[in-house]
Amino acid sequence: QVQLVQSGAEVKKPGASVKVSCKASGYTFTGYYMHWVRQAPGQGLEWMGRINPNSGGTNYAQKFQGRVTMTRDTSISTAYMELSRLRSDDTAVYYCARGGRGAAGSQLYYFDYWGQGTLVTVSS
Amino acid sequence: EIVLTQSPGTLSLSPGERATLSCRASQSVSSSYLAWYQQKPGQAPRLLIYGASSRATGIPDRFSGSGSGTDFTLTISRLEPEDFAVYYCQQYGSSPTFGQGTKVEIK
Repeated sequence: QVQLVQSGAEVKKPGASVKVSCKASGYTFTGYYMHWVRQAPGQGLEWMGRINPNSGGTNYAQKFQGRVTMTRDTSISTAYMELSRLRSDDTAVYYCARGGRGAAGSQLYYFDYWGQGTLVTVSS
Repeated sequence: EIVLTQSPGTLSLSPGERATLSCRASQSVSSSYLAWYQQKPGQAPRLLIYGASSRATGIPDRFSGSGSGTDFTLTISRLEPEDFAVYYCQQYGSSPTFGQGTKVEIK
């Protein structure tokens, strides 16, 4: 069965960086895009970007351009999301989520499996 | 950016009743690239519907999606106790965006 297991909660000071991991199992890691979505406390969902685990190619939401870096290690089927220059409003639960695929194998930007979430708290 | 507006904000219903949730887009969603998710407190979202009307794996048939263009609907035919949760729509025809959510609560 498909599983995405994320790293544990983090507490960071403003201006620092955080790196969250997402280990995939139960499917071919390089066959599906991996996306990152965040949710501030009591708020809705916000797409941050995605990585193609096969090529390493990325596509980031404009809001996070220059502050987010998504990488992967195919040898251990793990995706990473690093967010730099943290601010208090970056406090949120960060999710990795596998992208869907169309009938012809095209990569689609809906999310069929999700990690359990990683709480990142930014506080001085 | 396509803005999705969900209504109502909160829906108060009893088990066994029918729930109808609306999602309206600020511009047409290409290829009906519209998904619905369910989220319970402390849990990750769960995919219910993609392509506006296709149920995801393992989703009961009391959940159905419809619509095209700018107007989409999620219907839960008969609410079960486990269906009380927050529901989000999401478009993926362009850079993905989510609605603000509809909370379905027990009346």
